[in-house]
Amino acid sequence: DGGITQSPKYLFRKEGQNVTLSCEQNLNHDAMYWYRQDPGQGLRLIYYSQIVNDFQKGDIAEGYSVSREKKESFPLTVTSAQKNPTAFYLCASSRRYRIDTQYFGPGTRLTVL
Amino acid sequence: AQSVTQLDSHVSVSEGTPVLLRCNYSSSYSPSLFWYVQHPNKGLQLLLKYTSAATLVKGINGFEAEFKKSETSFHLTKPSAHMSDAAEYFCVVSGVTGFQKLVFGTGTRLLVSP
Repeated sequence: DGGITQSPKYLFRKEGQNVTLSCEQNLNHDAMYWYRQDPGQGLRLIYYSQIVNDFQKGDIAEGYSVSREKKESFPLTVTSAQKNPTAFYLCASSRRYRIDTQYFGPGTRLTVL
Repeated sequence: AQSVTQLDSHVSVSEGTPVLLRCNYSSSYSPSLFWYVQHPNKGLQLLLKYTSAATLVKGINGFEAEFKKSETSFHLTKPSAHMSDAAEYFCVVSGVTGFQKLVFGTGTRLLVSP
C-alpha cells in the first residue's frame, strides 16, 4: 500500500537535546512538508520541499532544520534552539504544484521533559 | 493573504441528527478550499475539496460542503451523524498561484452522543 510513515509515534527528549523525526513516503510524490500542531490551533508549516536537494522555510522554521537527499525521505531535526518543541508533528507529501493532492502521515508526538 | 475562520470550536450533536460545521474564508483570489478530518492522535484525512468546479462538493462518508462566494463561506454538512464522525475537523484554504500553501483554521471538535 502507498502511504506516508512517520517514526517514532511518541518521542521523549530532555531539554537541550536535538532530535530527528523521520518521514518516508512511497507515493512517488515530489513535494514534502512538515507541520506543527498545538492544541487549539491549526497546523502551521515548518518547512517544505518541492524537489530533491531543495527546501524552503515555512512560517515557523526557527529552531528546526531539514534535509532532502532522497525523494522518499524528508527528516526534520528539532534543535535545542526551538524554545517550545513539545507538539504533534505531521509530515505530508503531494504531487509537485498540486497541493490539492496532499496526503498526511500519522504524526509524531514529541514531548520535551 | 488567505485565511479561514471556523466559527465554532466545539459542536455537539446526537447520533442520527444533522451536522453543520461552519467555515468562512478570506482570499484575494479564487481559492481552493478543503475540509480535513483528524481522529485523536492520527494524521489528517481529506474529506472533500473545492477547486472552482461545482459549488456543491460531495466528499467521503456522506459529508458535503457548499461554496458560497457571496457569503465567503464553505460550511460542512452531513444529514445524519454517526458515532464514528466524532473527531476534529479543519477547514483549509489555499491560493491558486505561486506556492500553494495550505492555511488551516483552528479546528472544530465534533462530539456525537448516543
